[in-house]
Amino acid sequence: AQKVTQAQTEISVVEKEDVTLDCVYETRDTTYYLFWYKQPPSGELVFLIRRNSFDEQNEISGRYSWNFQKSTSSFNFTITASQVVDSAVYFCALSAYSGGGADGLTFGKGTHLIIQP
Amino acid sequence: DTGVSQDPRHKITKRGQNVTFRCDPISEHNRLYWYRQTLGQGPEFLTYFQNEAQLEKSRLLSDRFSAERPKGSFSTLEIQRTEQGDSAMYLCASRPEKRGNEQFFGPGTRLTVL
Repeated sequence: AQKVTQAQTEISVVEKEDVTLDCVYETRDTTYYLFWYKQPPSGELVFLIRRNSFDEQNEISGRYSWNFQKSTSSFNFTITASQVVDSAVYFCALSAYSGGGADGLTFGKGTHLIIQP
Repeated sequence: DTGVSQDPRHKITKRGQNVTFRCDPISEHNRLYWYRQTLGQGPEFLTYFQNEAQLEKSRLLSDRFSAERPKGSFSTLEIQRTEQGDSAMYLCASRPEKRGNEQFFGPGTRLTVL
């Protein structure tokens, strides 16, 4: 069975601070995909990043960066110089790397990020 | 590029009634997914289709739930004899066949069962 744990239910920071959202996952698959999605107050899930389990290279996209560590089963997400528009619920998700099935995403419970002006 | 659309956006019904939701995926996407999200939780996988074939169903999908994708394009999710516990946001997502591509989500249908 797959499991994603986001231990931080809610984080509140002041604008321009850096913030890291934690994600720990469990899977028996040797190859898998990890994702981060953003759910703003409007409700629609927005894709942010996908990471393959065989690619541990960290990634930076503007103010966003992701740290994938297979040894600790973690896929953490950092926002640098946070902005009020970053306020949202952020979900980490996992899917198996299989051809015929087990294709649905397993989501964590999400971290509600509040950026105060 | 038209995204995933869902209809209706909101549905209020009385316990025991049947409801049906529709999802129109992105046109070239042959994989379509249904999820359910309750307040304060992450989305939970319900079922998915590859073209018109329903390939996987979660244990969450009780026999009161049925999903179809008759022509491999739009999909419907029907809930029969609704219960208050069915109140949730029902999300649809789609993606192309290529393995590993991210899923694109629609705005969801919020169901309230009174």
